[in-house]
Amino acid sequence: AQKVTQAQTEISVVEKEDVTLDCVYETRDTTYYLFWYKQPPSGELVFLIRRNSFDEQNEISGRYSWNFQKSTSSFNFTITASQVVDSAVYFCALSTLSGGATNKLIFGTGTLLAVQP
Amino acid sequence: DVKVTQSSRYLVKRTGEKVFLECVQDMDHENMFWYRQDPGLGLRLIYFSYDVKMKEKGDIPEGYSVSREKKERFSLILESASTNQTSMYLCASSAGTSRGELFFGEGSRLTVL
Repeated sequence: AQKVTQAQTEISVVEKEDVTLDCVYETRDTTYYLFWYKQPPSGELVFLIRRNSFDEQNEISGRYSWNFQKSTSSFNFTITASQVVDSAVYFCALSTLSGGATNKLIFGTGTLLAVQP
Repeated sequence: DVKVTQSSRYLVKRTGEKVFLECVQDMDHENMFWYRQDPGLGLRLIYFSYDVKMKEKGDIPEGYSVSREKKERFSLILESASTNQTSMYLCASSAGTSRGELFFGEGSRLTVL
């Protein structure tokens, strides 16, 4: 069975702090994709990143970075020097070929990040 | 600019009513999805479609049906609304080759009284 676990329900930080959002996934497939999406207060989920299971290189994009570790089945997301505009719900997601198609995503329950000024 | 538009941001319906939630995308995407979002449960897939007139059940299809008569439009239908269908409904679309990059609408918050 495929599953995504985001154990952190809510995180509150003060602006400029670094924060890491945890994501643990389960799948028996060897080929899969992992994603992070951001849902700001407006409600519209926005795609942030996709990684495939064969690429364990960490990625950095500005203040955002992602740490993919197959050994621990984790795909964690770090925001450096957080800002109030980072306040949102963040979802980790998984898709597998055996799940039907690479476009069929399984989402975690989300982590609400509140960045206080 | 890519756009997924959901017809209603907020709806209030009564138990037993038939409810239509409309979604239109302007990106010529093959794939369209309906998710339901509930606190503590994340997003759960109700139905999806890979082509016109084609539909497949997601993880929680009971109590719902869908219609895709045109490529750009994907409708979610609640034949007889019940209070446990009070939720946020999110429509999304993606290109056939996108490998999971979904574009979402702003959501439709449905309350069933």
